[in-house]
Amino acid sequence: AQSVTQPDIHITVSEGASLELRCNYSYGATPYLFWYVQSPGQGLQLLLKYFSGDTLVQGIKGFEAEFKRSQSSFNLRKPSVHWSDAAEYFCAVGGFQGAQKLVFGQGTRLTINP
Amino acid sequence: DTGVSQDPRHKITKRGQNVTFRCDPISEHNRLYWYRQTLGQGPEFLTYFQNEAQLEKSRLLSDRFSAERPKGSFSTLEIQRTEQGDSAMYLCASSFWTGRGGNQPQHFGDGTRLSIL
Repeated sequence: AQSVTQPDIHITVSEGASLELRCNYSYGATPYLFWYVQSPGQGLQLLLKYFSGDTLVQGIKGFEAEFKRSQSSFNLRKPSVHWSDAAEYFCAVGGFQGAQKLVFGQGTRLTINP
Repeated sequence: DTGVSQDPRHKITKRGQNVTFRCDPISEHNRLYWYRQTLGQGPEFLTYFQNEAQLEKSRLLSDRFSAERPKGSFSTLEIQRTEQGDSAMYLCASSFWTGRGGNQPQHFGDGTRLSIL
């Protein structure tokens, strides 16, 4: 069965601190992996995606993620967070480069302390 | 690129009423997806279209739910005889599928929030 686990429901970090959000997936075929961000009352904005090739992918807003096949993980990182990064973050997996359904994790809510 | 547009943004209705939501995808996108998101959860897949053809439906899409994309452009999602459990955010997304790789990722609209009284 396809599934995504985000172990941390809520994370609080101080502004300027580094961030890592965890994501583990279970997928029977070649996984195509995504991170989306959602602000309250808004839709989802794509941060980055992994299709193939270099396992470290760069995204928008200074985010990066590393794909580790042996650990079935796709963790999101940012070296220094800004207050505007406070939001809900979702990891997702899909097939065919995301052209079919996406399976999302439960999400991680990020709070930034000033 | 005007993005994915959804209408209305909010809908409040009484239990048992029918509701219809509209989604306008990014103009050149041939695939359109519907998801449902309840409070504190990630989006759950409902159905998706390739042009006007509905290619997959989730088991979440009960007989009370119907989705259409009659001309391969905008789509509608109708819920008949609404129930309390239908209260959620309904998200629409679109993408361009080339059929041979190089697919663009799904771009989401801001959703329609449905509240059942």
